[in-house]
Amino acid sequence: NAGVTQTPKFRVLKTGQSMTLLCAQDMNHEYMYWYRQDPGMGLRLIHYSVGEGTTAKGEVPDGYNVSRLKKQNFLLGLESAAPSQTSVYFCASATQGGQPQHFGDGTRLSIL
Amino acid sequence: DQQVKQNSPSLSVQEGRISILNCDYTNSMFDYFLWYKKYPAEGPTFLISISSIKDKNEDGRFTVFLNKSAKHLSLHIVPSQPGDSAVYFCALRKGGSEKLVFGKGTKLTVNP
Repeated sequence: NAGVTQTPKFRVLKTGQSMTLLCAQDMNHEYMYWYRQDPGMGLRLIHYSVGEGTTAKGEVPDGYNVSRLKKQNFLLGLESAAPSQTSVYFCASATQGGQPQHFGDGTRLSIL
Repeated sequence: DQQVKQNSPSLSVQEGRISILNCDYTNSMFDYFLWYKKYPAEGPTFLISISSIKDKNEDGRFTVFLNKSAKHLSLHIVPSQPGDSAVYFCALRKGGSEKLVFGKGTKLTVNP
């Protein structure tokens, strides 16, 4: 029972490079979320999706794009990475909005 | 403007004693309240929740109390165990929202 799987677990980028973080869930959840966690800042919502083909902005969406082409996958893209995007990124899914969310183990991203 | 505050960044207790983690909020529109636990290098895991129609919910060693008039939420762990050492986040949902708002977390250390 995998739950929520995030790929990759670690990545180092140079400023200006692009990359995509993948989140996959096998629980048939409708809702999916991307958060970033920074020291002393808790979890801040970047983007979320309420179902296949939908996306919406969260609290800190600037510099990120997302896509939900398949129900089980939620992709987070950085088009031109900046050092301020150095963070730990968590993906989560839920059966309904606002209900307990199941989290992946995170992607630690460093941008030099 | 922080809607959800966990004012204690850290808490240290002895094994067997009670741990009390606190969370304050400013918006009376929050109607569902959750606690998550997070170990290093892992994603947050859902612990316990309470809706605004209740003032207490218990699950084994974990009890959540809600004081709506004071806009205050607390998590009691008794007896505390070394395995409870983790960062604890409160997360709140506004009525009808698809999103959760997280506090910044409190690091609990339970000493043997």
